Amino acid sequence: KQEVTQIPAALSVPEGENLVLNCSFTDSAIYNLQWFRQDPGKGLTSLLLIQSSQREQTSGRLNASLDKSSGRSTLYIAASQPGDSATYLCSPSDNYGQNFVFGPGTRLSVLP
Amino acid sequence: DTEVTQTPKHLVMGMTNKKSLKCEQHMGHRAMYWYKQKAKKPPELMFVYSYEKLSINESVPSRFSPECPNSSLLNLHLHALQPEDSALYLCASSQDVGNSNQPQHFGDGTRLSIL
Repeated sequence: KQEVTQIPAALSVPEGENLVLNCSFTDSAIYNLQWFRQDPGKGLTSLLLIQSSQREQTSGRLNASLDKSSGRSTLYIAASQPGDSATYLCSPSDNYGQNFVFGPGTRLSVLP
Repeated sequence: DTEVTQTPKHLVMGMTNKKSLKCEQHMGHRAMYWYKQKAKKPPELMFVYSYEKLSINESVPSRFSPECPNSSLLNLHLHALQPEDSALYLCASSQDVGNSNQPQHFGDGTRLSIL
């Protein structure tokens, strides 16, 4: 069974800092890994999807990397803004590309 | 606004009531999902429908009964729920189950409280 951990569990930073969120998973037989964002009381929004053949994906100020063999992914947020405050969850897929398991999340607070 | 619409947004019900949660998407997705999320925990998969057929039931108690009337609609019928069933219920859809290029799209959920 896939086990997912995320470090740190919570993070509070001043605006403008560059951040790194970490995701670890135990089963490296994945097809992709997704990063999601969840605002309080809302659903999940997909931020980035990295296929197992890729090493990283970028979208604006977000960059996600994947080291499948070591079971790790990182989400890098550049020049953080208060609007980035949310919980960030990673989801490694199974070998069929199904993303049904989520990490516990990192709760990010960016202070103005 | 999300492309997956869930109604109602909030629901309070007694343990003897029968109610239904509704989920709708018009993106042409053929896979739809129900998740349960407790406070400060990640979502937990409950059911998966693929092409309107139930493909995964994660050993969910029978007091939760899913239904997929057509490719755009997904319902979750509730009966005789317990207080521990209070949670945020999320619906999601994707182009197909196991399509590695397409992420899941989530609704904003129904906040359910059982008295």
